[in-house]
Amino acid sequence: GDSVTQMEGPVTLSEEAFLTINCTYTATGYPSLFWYVQYPGEGLQLLLKATKADDKGSNKGFEATYRKETTSFHLEKGSVQVSDSAVYFCALSPSGAGSYQLTFGKGTKLSVIP
Amino acid sequence: GAGVSQSPRYKVAKRGQDVALRCDPISGHVSLFWYQQALGQGPEFLTYFQNEAQLDKSGLPSDRFFAERPEGSVSTLKIQRTQQEDSAVYLCASSSAPTSGGDTQYFGPGTRLTVL
Repeated sequence: GDSVTQMEGPVTLSEEAFLTINCTYTATGYPSLFWYVQYPGEGLQLLLKATKADDKGSNKGFEATYRKETTSFHLEKGSVQVSDSAVYFCALSPSGAGSYQLTFGKGTKLSVIP
Repeated sequence: GAGVSQSPRYKVAKRGQDVALRCDPISGHVSLFWYQQALGQGPEFLTYFQNEAQLDKSGLPSDRFFAERPEGSVSTLKIQRTQQEDSAVYLCASSSAPTSGGDTQYFGPGTRLTVL
């Protein structure tokens, strides 16, 4: 079945450091890919998404590119802030039947220190 | 505008008790989803409604789990005879469209269930 694998955390970075969180997936066809973020004490929020190969999703300085050839959707940000401290989840929804069903990775906790 | 709300936010149950968890989706959203998130894990799909119709319940872990959305808005997830392995955060999400895979699902804050 479909699956998502993301780098294990926790990840601790200093403010203004470069962030990469790796995400790879297994799915047939062309799934849609998402990054969700969960800030402390809050619900999951969509951060960005890409629905076809080579699309780049971007939001709040974060970006990720849908790479079909490497089945990856790595999350990057050039300069992190303390306010980016959260848990980040990579997810996919399949193409075709059951396309509404999100499959999530285990999450990566990011802590940014001043 | 109002987002997805869930109640209660926290629920403690003794093993064997029945519980009911409520979800109020964003007004007008056609699709509603329930997910279960165990500690340290990502959410896992439980069930999907389009309006009042439950179109997919393949993720419900046992017949002790039951979900309904009788009027196509508010939904209730019921767990009968709770077990310790049911302890998790239960997330509700809604989206404006029917089954398109690229659509955004908006999540509620979740209900943390602890079964003693």
